[in-house]
Amino acid sequence: DTAVSQTPKYLVTQMGNDKSIKCEQNLGHDTMYWYKQDSKKFLKIMFSYNNKELIINETVPNRFSPKSPDKAHLNLHINSLELGDSAVYFCASSQAGLDNEQYFGPGTRLTVT
Amino acid sequence: DAKTTQPTSMDCAEGRAANLPCNHSTISGNEYVYWYRQIHSQGPQYIIHGLKNNETNEMASLIITEDRKSSTLILPHATLRDTAVYYCIVRGDGSSNTGKLIFGQGTTLQVKP
Repeated sequence: DTAVSQTPKYLVTQMGNDKSIKCEQNLGHDTMYWYKQDSKKFLKIMFSYNNKELIINETVPNRFSPKSPDKAHLNLHINSLELGDSAVYFCASSQAGLDNEQYFGPGTRLTVT
Repeated sequence: DAKTTQPTSMDCAEGRAANLPCNHSTISGNEYVYWYRQIHSQGPQYIIHGLKNNETNEMASLIITEDRKSSTLILPHATLRDTAVYYCIVRGDGSSNTGKLIFGQGTTLQVKP
């Protein structure tokens, strides 16, 4: 009965590779997000989708490309991985609107060597 | 979006109430105060949110001052499992109504036996 799930939990890869992280929510929410938490523990929003439409795109390199095949899924594809991409990536979901809380997944720890 | 100021760290004795302050002096009338926490190695967890009135749920109480420039999160009977980083976030409309959460440094709450 996991609300927001992410796969994989850990991802170790080499520089230059392309990788994807998957996110699924079973809460019936219409908005999904990707956040990045760096080594200094700062959490920053990267993207947000509402009903499969991109609504937030922060200053993120275009090597990062989110894909939302349906309302319940938001995947993150990263091309040409760099050392600085090493971080924990969190997916979240919510109903649209400022009065609705976001539910976060357990995170994917990406390590680029 | 309004910014928040929180103490970097606090201690609390197990079983006692933990009162976590937050200043948000530039908050706008349509901006909500949200509290999240992040227990080590987990995703952020929603605690509570409010607009003007005080709020209470099974986890905590939120006290918002009348001028809305500050708030206090109260964990009535802190346990060791409440040790975490607590984030006070002002989530607002601004000019975009995107609903994104902007995380600051938060307060590291250490509950001690």
